[in-house]
Amino acid sequence: GENVEQHPSTLSVQEGDSAVIKCTYSDSASNYFPWYKQELGKGPQLIIDIRSNVGEKKDQRIAVTLNKTAKHFSLHITETQPEDSAVYFCAASRGYNQGGKLIFGQGTELSVKP
Amino acid sequence: EAGVAQSPRYKIIEKRQSVAFWCNPISGHATLYWYQQILGQGPKLLIQFQNNGVVDDSQLPKDRFSAERLKGVDSTLKIQPAKLEDSAVYLCASSFGTPNTGELFFGEGSRLTVL
Repeated sequence: GENVEQHPSTLSVQEGDSAVIKCTYSDSASNYFPWYKQELGKGPQLIIDIRSNVGEKKDQRIAVTLNKTAKHFSLHITETQPEDSAVYFCAASRGYNQGGKLIFGQGTELSVKP
Repeated sequence: EAGVAQSPRYKIIEKRQSVAFWCNPISGHATLYWYQQILGQGPKLLIQFQNNGVVDDSQLPKDRFSAERLKGVDSTLKIQPAKLEDSAVYLCASSFGTPNTGELFFGEGSRLTVL
């Protein structure tokens, strides 16, 4: 079945450094790739998403890249701040008309040290 | 705008007992999802409703889990009888647009501990 692998499971960086989280997916029909941030005791919150007709998308300090040929996508956070500390999940899905559901990766716990 | 509301936030039960979780989605959101999040893992879809019809329940353990969405608004997820492996956070989410291709808005979750 569909699967999304996410690495690393934990990531510790110094404030101001960059952080990169990588995901691979198995379903070649996937065309929507969101990233969610989950703070302790809260539900996940969408931070950025990308669709298969785009190779890169940026929103201030965060960016996502997509390589459809290799079936992998990555989240890049620049100039990290302590408030970026959280668990980050990647996900992938097919379009609605293709019966898709959102499949989440296992999560990356990011710790930004002041 | 009010977010997705869930209750109770915490529940502790003995195995073989039953439990029910309630969710009120964001007003106007046609699609409602129940996810199970086991500690240290990503959310896993249990069931998805479009209005009050079931779109996907392929990963719902139907021998013990049931869910309903009356009148296309609120939803209830029930577990009976509970097993130790059901200990998890149960997340409810809703979305406005086409399912699975736009932003999901999650509630804070209901944490279940089965002893």
